[in-house]
Amino acid sequence: GAVVSQHPSRVICKSGTSVKIECRSLDFQATTMFWYRQFPKQSLMLMATSNEGSKATYEQGVEKDKFLINHASLTLSTLTVTSAHPEDSSFYICSARVPGTNTEAFFGQGTRLTVV
Amino acid sequence: KQEVTQIPAALSVPEGENLVLNCSFTDSAIYNLQWFRQDPGKGLTSLLLIQSSQREQTSGRLNASLDKSSGRSTLYIAASQPGDSATYLCAVRVGNAGNMLTFGGGTRLMVKP
Repeated sequence: GAVVSQHPSRVICKSGTSVKIECRSLDFQATTMFWYRQFPKQSLMLMATSNEGSKATYEQGVEKDKFLINHASLTLSTLTVTSAHPEDSSFYICSARVPGTNTEAFFGQGTRLTVV
Repeated sequence: KQEVTQIPAALSVPEGENLVLNCSFTDSAIYNLQWFRQDPGKGLTSLLLIQSSQREQTSGRLNASLDKSSGRSTLYIAASQPGDSATYLCAVRVGNAGNMLTFGGGTRLMVKP
């Protein structure tokens, strides 16, 4: 099946710094990728839809200047958490769907971000 | 707005039991429904995908059913094992454009040896 790889799996950063998370589709081209956030013992909440070659679409309440998304190629989308604060600590997961098909969404392994 | 609810939120059973996890959604105009498994601190593993035109899907000891008109899906796990312990999430997809998965809150399952 299709594989989505997310890196890093864990990151600890200091308040005020920026952190970049990568999401790669390894064996297919993904024109669209999706970024989710998950708080402890809660479900996934869609943050934004990343579109290759164009601006991301953010869900209501998600600060686009805080969570910068870049989808510069058909196999890579990045999420940068800028000027991170402890309240940004969370589990971030990306997903992608093979375009033009009705196949299931494939998810990355997730990134545990801890801001200290 | 689509809302997805999963009941129960947590479940603890002895090994060997058959069990049912429930998922309900408010808008029946879905494209498909997907069940995922999530282990602590890990990403999601897709278990079963049911298209809106289908009534059930089976994979090994797992069987998922879909009643779109009533807005319900169930995940049946036969002969549960300790390795089945995880959080199970259902998600519905609305429309063919994009992903637009809406997730339920999940059911945390513990299977005791």
